[in-house]
Amino acid sequence: GQNIDQPTEMTATEGAIVQINCTYQTSGFNGLFWYQQHAGEAPTFLSYNVLDGLEEKGRFSSFLSRSKGYSYLLLKELQMKDSASYLCAPMDSNYQLIWGAGTKLIIKP
Amino acid sequence: IAGITQAPTSQILAAGRRMTLRCTQDMRHNAMYWYRQDLGLGLRLIHYSNTAGTTGKGEVPDGYSVSRANTDDFPLTLASAVPSQTSVYFCASSDSRGSGTDTQYFGPGTRLTVL
Repeated sequence: GQNIDQPTEMTATEGAIVQINCTYQTSGFNGLFWYQQHAGEAPTFLSYNVLDGLEEKGRFSSFLSRSKGYSYLLLKELQMKDSASYLCAPMDSNYQLIWGAGTKLIIKP
Repeated sequence: IAGITQAPTSQILAAGRRMTLRCTQDMRHNAMYWYRQDLGLGLRLIHYSNTAGTTGKGEVPDGYSVSRANTDDFPLTLASAVPSQTSVYFCASSDSRGSGTDTQYFGPGTRLTVL
């Protein structure tokens, strides 16, 4: 079956760095997306990885290891506005996104 | 209009009633999607459309129907609502489906409560 595993909740301090891990099992693989979702709002696109390695985009970076079925999202210089849920979503062989339940990130001053 | 709009924003509905959730995009995207999001669960795909005139079933299609008469609109209909359909519904669109770089963009959502 297809499965996504992310921590349910994480807490970090403003200005610090946090890494949100995601492991996945899918039928085929066509890349992996990370989305951010603030409470009561829609998911918004953060990053896409299809090849192994690190993709950096400002304060956010995303890493992929296809052989391990593993990805992480790295957030640097945390700001209060980064308090949100972070959704890991690999794309399977049918180009369907398989969504994890998300990791709720709480930023404390 | 910029992006994707959904209507209504929220709705309380009596069980057994018929309801259509509306979704319109102005990005000329070929593919559109309907998801539901429930507490503690990931987004679940209800129906999708690769292009105008075609639709397909997702993970949880029972009790829902869709149509895609044109590129911009993708309404979702609950023929006879049941309390288990209480959820937040998101419409999304992407330039195409079947591409590894197919990024989905989401509407603001409709919060539906069925009593």
